[in-house]
Amino acid sequence: AIRITQSPSSLSASTGDRVTITCRASQGISSYLAWYQQKPGKARKLLIYAASTLESGVPSRFSGSGSGTDFTLTISCLQSEDFATYYCQQYYSYPQTFGQGTKVEIK
Amino acid sequence: QVQLVESGGGVVQPGRSLRLSCAASGFTFSNYGMHWVRQAPGKGLEWVAVISSDGGKKYYADSVKGRFTISRDNSKNTLYLQMNSLRAEDTAVYYCAKDRALEGPPMDVWGQGTTVTVSS
Repeated sequence: AIRITQSPSSLSASTGDRVTITCRASQGISSYLAWYQQKPGKARKLLIYAASTLESGVPSRFSGSGSGTDFTLTISCLQSEDFATYYCQQYYSYPQTFGQGTKVEIK
Repeated sequence: QVQLVESGGGVVQPGRSLRLSCAASGFTFSNYGMHWVRQAPGKGLEWVAVISSDGGKKYYADSVKGRFTISRDNSKNTLYLQMNSLRAEDTAVYYCAKDRALEGPPMDVWGQGTTVTVSS
């Protein structure tokens, strides 16, 4: 199975900050990477797919980049509603695998 | 709106069986592949199984292969996960999710989850 290493596991940031989360795959996955947002009590939300394509309705302050093994999710100007846990996922091959998650907390 | 609602979770003894259901609404269920994903307490997400839109293709995680069976009833807009020979390590919140595109993943809509606890 392809291993996904996500970092950091948590971070503290302030509203307005630029935040970067990274995922590294144990082998090349082309651009078959998605990013999700999870808030307590709410269903998981797809933010980005194909490494850099913004899902419809997702604010443009979210962006994704990378291909092959190294990927990045960037939130350009953190808003209060962005405090949540973020996961990356590879769907290049089965079993699909996820990063361990990054909890973005208020500083 | 697109909605997935899981049910069927509960407390079950090791070695017993349980069937989870996922009721879909707001989209043409029969057009999309569907997944089960789980999250054990304090752990990360683990993909469990996928079934193609017509039910003809199924893939499983090694951890559940031979014990779990994914199926669907397109006439009822419902996805199922039959879980047999349950183990303590199967304790988790189980989520169903749909493929974003007709061609396949990633998953774009997730349910809220149903909790399975395997304990004597």
